[in-house]
Amino acid sequence: AQSVTQLGSHVSVSEGALVLLRCNYSSSVPPYLFWYVQYPNQGLQLLLKYTTGATLVKGINGFEAEFKKSETSFHLTKPSAHMSDAAEYFCAVSDQGTGGFKTIFGAGTRLFVKA
Amino acid sequence: DGGITQSPKYLFRKEGQNVTLSCEQNLNHDAMYWYRQDPGQGLRLIYYSQIVNDFQKGDIAEGYSVSREKKESFPLTVTSAQKNPTAFYLCASRQGAGTGELFFGEGSRLTVL
Repeated sequence: AQSVTQLGSHVSVSEGALVLLRCNYSSSVPPYLFWYVQYPNQGLQLLLKYTTGATLVKGINGFEAEFKKSETSFHLTKPSAHMSDAAEYFCAVSDQGTGGFKTIFGAGTRLFVKA
Repeated sequence: DGGITQSPKYLFRKEGQNVTLSCEQNLNHDAMYWYRQDPGQGLRLIYYSQIVNDFQKGDIAEGYSVSREKKESFPLTVTSAQKNPTAFYLCASRQGAGTGELFFGEGSRLTVL
């Protein structure tokens, strides 16, 4: 079974600083990887996904992630943090279950942005 | 607009009562999912369904039940057998296979008094 580990339950950055949220997954070929964002008391929305092809994936709101197979990582970055980026971020992997595909989530990383 | 509607948004229940959370989608998606979210634990899969009249247990199915009588509807019942039901519940849907993204509803927050 697949699994996802997010390093750091909380990350704090200053406005304008680099954002780096770390994600490692258990290996399976091919991995389908996702990053979602959640604002308080809301559902999740997709930031970006990797399925096949280019390993550097660009998403919404200036975020991007790089798939590194050798490191089993899919870290999320943004060059310059904005106050509106404060939210919880989830890394996820798609897994083939007995009844079809299911998505497994990491524990989440809450991003704080300081003025 | 297409999307997923969950209701109610907030629900209070006394111990020993069953409650049903509604999830409706008009995206024409085949697969639907229920997740439970607790602080610091991410999302844990309760049940999922790929097609009508078929569903599978996820990682934490004990104390929950579902039905999938229509493509657009996937209600979740939290039974009195669920030991710790207070949580935020999220419904999602997906079109296609594992490469497809999940679309989420706004969630239902259940509090047991």
